[in-house]
Amino acid sequence: KQEVTQIPAALSVPEGENLVLNCSFTDSAIYNLQWFRQDPGKGLTSLLLIQSSQREQTSGRLNASLDKSSGRSTLYIAASQPGDSATYLCAGNAGNMLTFGGGTRLMVKP
Amino acid sequence: NAGVMQNPRHLVRRRGQEARLRCSPMKGHSHVYWYRQLPEEGLKFMVYLQKENIIDESGMPKERFSAEFPKEGPSILRIQQVVRGDSAAYFCASSPPGIQGELFFGEGSRLTVL
Repeated sequence: KQEVTQIPAALSVPEGENLVLNCSFTDSAIYNLQWFRQDPGKGLTSLLLIQSSQREQTSGRLNASLDKSSGRSTLYIAASQPGDSATYLCAGNAGNMLTFGGGTRLMVKP
Repeated sequence: NAGVMQNPRHLVRRRGQEARLRCSPMKGHSHVYWYRQLPEEGLKFMVYLQKENIIDESGMPKERFSAEFPKEGPSILRIQQVVRGDSAAYFCASSPPGIQGELFFGEGSRLTVL
């Protein structure tokens, strides 16, 4: 059974900092790993999808990496902005479903 | 191309009533997933459907909950005889055919049971 863990659970940084969010998963036989953003009371916005054959994906100030052998993925956010404040969720796809981590609540202070 | 559409966005029910949540997938998507997010908890998988078929319902409670995705129309998540513990946000996601498809989520339906 896939288990996904995210560290830290919460993070507060000043504006402009580069930061890394961590995600680990127990079953390396994943098809892909997806990072989402969730604002309070809202749905999930897909940020990046990394297929199992890929090692990283980039979109703007976001870069996500995937290391299946170690069961880890990281989301790197460059030059953080207050508008980046949200909960960030990673989810591993091992077939019929995505298994989600508990999320990292990010607060970027102006 | 409209995204995943869920309705109602907010639903209030009294204990013992029925709740019906609807989800229309993105155009061209044939896979639908339902997830539940309890207050202050993570997202938990409930059920995975394709048209007229339940593929995986391992996350569905054994009683009172059912889901369908008919040949025509939206997917429906039905909760009978709701209890206060059913209060949660219910999210629907859809993906294109294939096991490596990216999932796209709707805005969710927030159920409150009084």
